[in-house]
Amino acid sequence: AAGVIQSPRHLIKEKRETATLKCYPIPRHDTVYWYQQGPGQDPQFLISFYEKMQSDKGSIPDRFSAQQFSDYHSELNMSSLELGDSALYFCASSLRAGSYEQYFGPGTRLTVT
Amino acid sequence: AQKVTQAQTEISVVEKEDVTLDCVYETRDTTYYLFWYKQPPSGELVFLIRRNSFDEQNEISGRYSWNFQKSTSSFNFTITASQVVDSAVYFCALRNFGNEKLTFGTGTRLTIIP
Repeated sequence: AAGVIQSPRHLIKEKRETATLKCYPIPRHDTVYWYQQGPGQDPQFLISFYEKMQSDKGSIPDRFSAQQFSDYHSELNMSSLELGDSALYFCASSLRAGSYEQYFGPGTRLTVT
Repeated sequence: AQKVTQAQTEISVVEKEDVTLDCVYETRDTTYYLFWYKQPPSGELVFLIRRNSFDEQNEISGRYSWNFQKSTSSFNFTITASQVVDSAVYFCALRNFGNEKLTFGTGTRLTIIP
């Protein structure tokens, strides 16, 4: 079965640079979520989109923005990167009208140097 | 506010032993969903199970079983006859009805010793 696709899988950036992470949800899933997992920590919810509209917002820094496109893929844009942004970034998707399970992608490991 | 507590930070057991991972949650909502996810060393988050707040029936799937008790706000996970491939970090998570986000516990690192 098709899973959530994230690209790139690994990304190395320097401080103050920008990064764009991409997420392709499971086919027919209409809701996308972004989470950030720091080293040794649990995943923290950043933001979610349903039918291309922001549906919920968590502890996402103002330097970050995200959107969902007409084909349901989503991008997380991160600017003015800081060392503390180094983390594993997960995208998850679900079918809004379904059973509420969020299926996670493999993650993008971002390292800021 | 919602909160998930996994008091066991790390557990090590010898292969073939049974092991139970504890999860206690807090929420003011009457309708909510509980989840368990597995994060193996490769890093991905694998969905294991979802439980609705109105369904306290316990569930068994192969070597895995889950015990949901609303009276104690607990949703514990038992692995029977553990195997080395069960070694991973296990997260319990909560989602309130109408909200999008999952609130995770801090995870329990399970190591199965061959």
